[in-house]
Amino acid sequence: DAGVIQSPRHEVTEMGQEVTLRCKPISGHNSLFWYRQTMMRGLELLIYFNNNVPIDDSGMPEDRFSAKMPNASFSTLKIQPSEPRDSAVYFCASSPRGLSSPLHFGNGTRLTVT
Amino acid sequence: DAKTTQPTSMDCAEGRAANLPCNHSTISGNEYVYWYRQIHSQGPQYIIHGLKNNETNEMASLIITEDRKSSTLILPHATLRDTAVYYCIVRVDAGGTSYGKLTFGQGTILTVHP
Repeated sequence: DAGVIQSPRHEVTEMGQEVTLRCKPISGHNSLFWYRQTMMRGLELLIYFNNNVPIDDSGMPEDRFSAKMPNASFSTLKIQPSEPRDSAVYFCASSPRGLSSPLHFGNGTRLTVT
Repeated sequence: DAKTTQPTSMDCAEGRAANLPCNHSTISGNEYVYWYRQIHSQGPQYIIHGLKNNETNEMASLIITEDRKSSTLILPHATLRDTAVYYCIVRVDAGGTSYGKLTFGQGTILTVHP
């Protein structure tokens, strides 16, 4: 079991650029979550997918953020255009039975927007 | 989700038991108590969860009071590698189509010293 795989591990970009973060959930897991962690706000849930369908995106900060899950083994979180306040660590997590089972987290992508 | 209250920080000597308290006085009957931890630069790691009975696994034990208003996570023989932020979270059992967010608070910083 390789765990949840996120890429890249670190991303540095300039304000206004498009950023795409990637996640491969654990095989067989049918739920996927994107979280963001900052010193000020801690860990925040951005969006949740179940069987590749977005269920709740109420945590997505604004229209600059979008997430997709084209198949059961891949998801992306895109920020366009990026701003310095988007700097954070972004975590992806998956679980085998949605919200009735524990989440397994990846090691995150540290995003720095200058 | 019901809110939880945890001490900001705790210390523990290596080899001794670490007892991490959590108050969740407004917990509802269908809410589970979950514990996660986050080691520096890693994603949160699931430890254990329970509803009303005490639980034990290879990592820790969870003791929930009879009125369910508080709980204690016990690491029986703490090691230096257990130094981390420990999060106590109450979460609705999703069951069918209901949705229970996993909402992280600020957690307890546990420092295990030699």
